[in-house]
Amino acid sequence: GQNIDQPTEMTATEGAIVQINCTYQTSGFNGLFWYQQHAGEAPTFLSYNVLDGLEEKGRFSSFLSRSKGYSYLLLKELQMKDSASYLCAPLNFGNEKLTFGTGTRLTIIP
Amino acid sequence: AAGVIQSPRHLIKEKRETATLKCYPIPRHDTVYWYQQGPGQDPQFLISFYEKMQSDKGSIPDRFSAQQFSDYHSELNMSSLELGDSALYFCASRPRVTGRNYGYTFGSGTRLTVV
Repeated sequence: GQNIDQPTEMTATEGAIVQINCTYQTSGFNGLFWYQQHAGEAPTFLSYNVLDGLEEKGRFSSFLSRSKGYSYLLLKELQMKDSASYLCAPLNFGNEKLTFGTGTRLTIIP
Repeated sequence: AAGVIQSPRHLIKEKRETATLKCYPIPRHDTVYWYQQGPGQDPQFLISFYEKMQSDKGSIPDRFSAQQFSDYHSELNMSSLELGDSALYFCASRPRVTGRNYGYTFGSGTRLTVV
C-alpha cells in the first residue's frame, strides 16, 4: 500500500516562496508526480521525479529523495492564481496507478 | 492539442437511479483510469483499463461497473445511486510507455449530484 503525508493547509504571501513537503511509503516505487488542482477542476500535471534530486521548471521545482521517501514542491514568486490544492502522488511500479495524498490547500495572501 | 473528454459535465440523478459517465482519452492513449473525488477529499482510485481489459481495481462499489471499448473510450456505469455517490468523477488517460512525460492527463470531470 501507499501512505502519503502532506500538510493539510498552508498560507503564503504573494511574491514569496513556499515549500510543500510530502512523505510517502510505497511498495514498488516508480516515480512521484505533483499535481495542482483548483476547486472543482481537474488536477493538472506539474512535475514528475523518478531520480533523486531537484527538477526545475519555471517558478516550480520538485525534489525527490527515494531513500527517505520524501519529496517537496517549491513555488517561487508566488501569484494569487497559485492558490490551489497541491497533490503529491507516488506512482506504483507494475500497476502504474497514481495514489493521491490528501493534498495541501495553499492560500496566497496579498 | 486534444485532451481527455468527459461527458456529461454535470449530472443530476435521484436516489436509486442509474447513471453512465463517458470518457474519451487522448488519441493513442491506451490506458484509462477513473477517480472519484468527494467534497474536500483527495481523488480516490476506482478502476483502470489497459487495452480494453481491466488492469486494476480500487475502492469501486459493486453497484458500479466500467468497461473500455475498442476505440479506447470508457464508460462508468453506476446503479442504485446513493446520496454518497455525489462527487466529481475524473477520468485520466496515459500512454503505456515509459519516459519522463508519461503522466496522467485528467479530463475536466463529471459532477454527479444525487438527490
